[in-house]
Amino acid sequence: GAVVSQHPSWVICKSGTSVKIECRSLDFQATTMFWYRQFPKQSLMLMATSNEGSKATYEQGVEKDKFLINHASLTLSTLTVTSAHPEDSSFYICSARDRVDFFGPGTRLTVL
Amino acid sequence: DAKTTQPPSMDCAEGRAANLPCNHSTISGNEYVYWYRQIHSQGPQYIIHGLKNNETNEMASLIITEDRKSSTLILPHATLRDTAVYYCIVRVGGATNKLIFGTGTLLAVQP
Repeated sequence: GAVVSQHPSWVICKSGTSVKIECRSLDFQATTMFWYRQFPKQSLMLMATSNEGSKATYEQGVEKDKFLINHASLTLSTLTVTSAHPEDSSFYICSARDRVDFFGPGTRLTVL
Repeated sequence: DAKTTQPPSMDCAEGRAANLPCNHSTISGNEYVYWYRQIHSQGPQYIIHGLKNNETNEMASLIITEDRKSSTLILPHATLRDTAVYYCIVRVGGATNKLIFGTGTLLAVQP
């Protein structure tokens, strides 16, 4: 199957700082990518749909000014968590759509 | 998109077939059934999908009932590495339609 990578795999940051997470489709081009987050013992929650060259579409309740998404190329989408707080600590997962959605390995964010 | 119902957990003996059920009684004619699994602390892994015919690949088989209101994912010879949460999702095909994850089934393969 197709490969999607994420970087970094884990990050620890101080409260109030911003963190950028990259999602790359390594062997295919993806017009559409998705960002999810997952809290412990819960299912994946879709945060936003990212389309190359256009603004992301955010799910209800997700703050677009806090979670900045950029999809500047067909192989790269980035999620920036701005002014991170401890409640933003979570497992962030991206997916890229080929004929089906392929997921990255996830990024664990811990905000101190 | 239609909602799915899965048992919260199942056990299976190593080497035996694991049969994971999914109900999607409100599925519409253009919705596909997708199966993913998530091993602890990893991203979900695509397994298989289908519209109305049964499907088989190197990982699993997908059996969809004739009325399409339910399906079964079959892992023919479960191993300990198949222990994971399995998600059944229905979605309309298309470039921008979303995958919405439910709570899934935790399959525990026992030695």
